[in-house]
Amino acid sequence: AQTVTQSQPEMSVQEAETVTLSCTYDTSESNYYLFWYKQPPSRQMILVIRQEAYKQQNATENRFSVNFQKAAKSFSLKISDSQLWDTAMYFCAFMTIQGAQKLVFGQGTRLTINP
Amino acid sequence: KAGVTQTPRYLIKTRGQQVTLSCSPISGHRSVSWYQQTPGQGLQFLFEYFSETQRNKGNFPGRFSGRQFSNSRSEMNVSTLELGDSALYLCASSGGGQNYGYTFGSGTRLTVV
Repeated sequence: AQTVTQSQPEMSVQEAETVTLSCTYDTSESNYYLFWYKQPPSRQMILVIRQEAYKQQNATENRFSVNFQKAAKSFSLKISDSQLWDTAMYFCAFMTIQGAQKLVFGQGTRLTINP
Repeated sequence: KAGVTQTPRYLIKTRGQQVTLSCSPISGHRSVSWYQQTPGQGLQFLFEYFSETQRNKGNFPGRFSGRQFSNSRSEMNVSTLELGDSALYLCASSGGGQNYGYTFGSGTRLTVV
């Protein structure tokens, strides 16, 4: 069974700083998808960025980028020039390509951006 | 394009009652999944439906059930409610293919008293 681990329960940075959220996962599969979701107080889970395991190039979306290390099974999220509205819970998630189409989530990291 | 719509937003039920939650996916999405979110257990997969068929089921008791209609709308039912069923229930839809990944609704907050 796949597992996802986020080792930082909480993080806090100043506005405009860069912050990196850690995520490691465990799987025996060679191809899969990885995601970062954001959950603000409004409760809705918002897709931040996604990565296909067979793509070596790290995904980027504006201020968000990932560092995908397949051999180390690591998938960290970097937020550059952090903004107040980046304050939220961030969840790392794994999904297999073959088999059950379900997301396996980490426990989340509560990120606070301070003015 | 409308997002994933979940109704109701909030529910308060008494132990022993049953409840039905509704989810309307993004137009064209045929896969609908349900997740339970609690402070203690985090986000856990309940089940996934595709074209009116349950494709996958998580590790939840039989009191939790669901269905999907021909228009892809989905309902989730919980019978004989327990205090521990209090949670945020999230629905997500996916179009599959190159648009892999799920789009979530805002959830239904269920409180069992």
